[in-house]
Amino acid sequence: SQQGEEDPQALSIQEGENATMNCSYKTSINNLQWYRQNSGRGLVHLILIRSNEREKHSGRLRVTLDTSKKSSSLLITASRAADTASYFCATIGGSNYKLTFGKGTLLTVNP
Amino acid sequence: DTAVSQTPKYLVTQMGNDKSIKCEQNLGHDTMYWYKQDSKKFLKIMFSYNNKELIINETVPNRFSPKSPDKAHLNLHINSLELGDSAVYFCASSQGGVQETQYFGPGTRLLVL
Repeated sequence: SQQGEEDPQALSIQEGENATMNCSYKTSINNLQWYRQNSGRGLVHLILIRSNEREKHSGRLRVTLDTSKKSSSLLITASRAADTASYFCATIGGSNYKLTFGKGTLLTVNP
Repeated sequence: DTAVSQTPKYLVTQMGNDKSIKCEQNLGHDTMYWYKQDSKKFLKIMFSYNNKELIINETVPNRFSPKSPDKAHLNLHINSLELGDSAVYFCASSQGGVQETQYFGPGTRLLVL
């Protein structure tokens, strides 16, 4: 069964605003990863956060992980039109031997 | 330089046909994967190979047969194509196993008529 669930399913913001996407999961994990998919393209890895980490940064991206709540968030600061894409969280861990993806959040950044 | 490449990019075929999709990675990774993404963008693993050995084989019809001639290549052969096979198929690779960052190919858009 599906592990990660992103929220919201769709998000529309203006350029320059921050975008926050959330991911909830059901079982214990070893790590959680965020990927971006531009329309008609493959997935691009953004950040991997391990279960013993609480926060990670990469450029304008900030990922948090709360294992007690089984949730993660992806924050994109100062968004740009080029950030328009679908964002997926993926988890692996416990008895789960494969990377399991959520359904994604479609982010639209309006210029 | 393309890290993970797939051919063809588009595939339109009739029901009942047999087709193959090829995948190559030049990253020197040990592990390769096939994923299927449906029309609702749900991405699900199908197979994974590590050093040419099958390590993940999800509940996939046996009409789907992966083949890994060497650790840089993982091909997917599909027999007797059905309408429900229409999807985007992604190849991916990673170094060190399934827990690590995966690098995806551009996808093969399969349409079965």
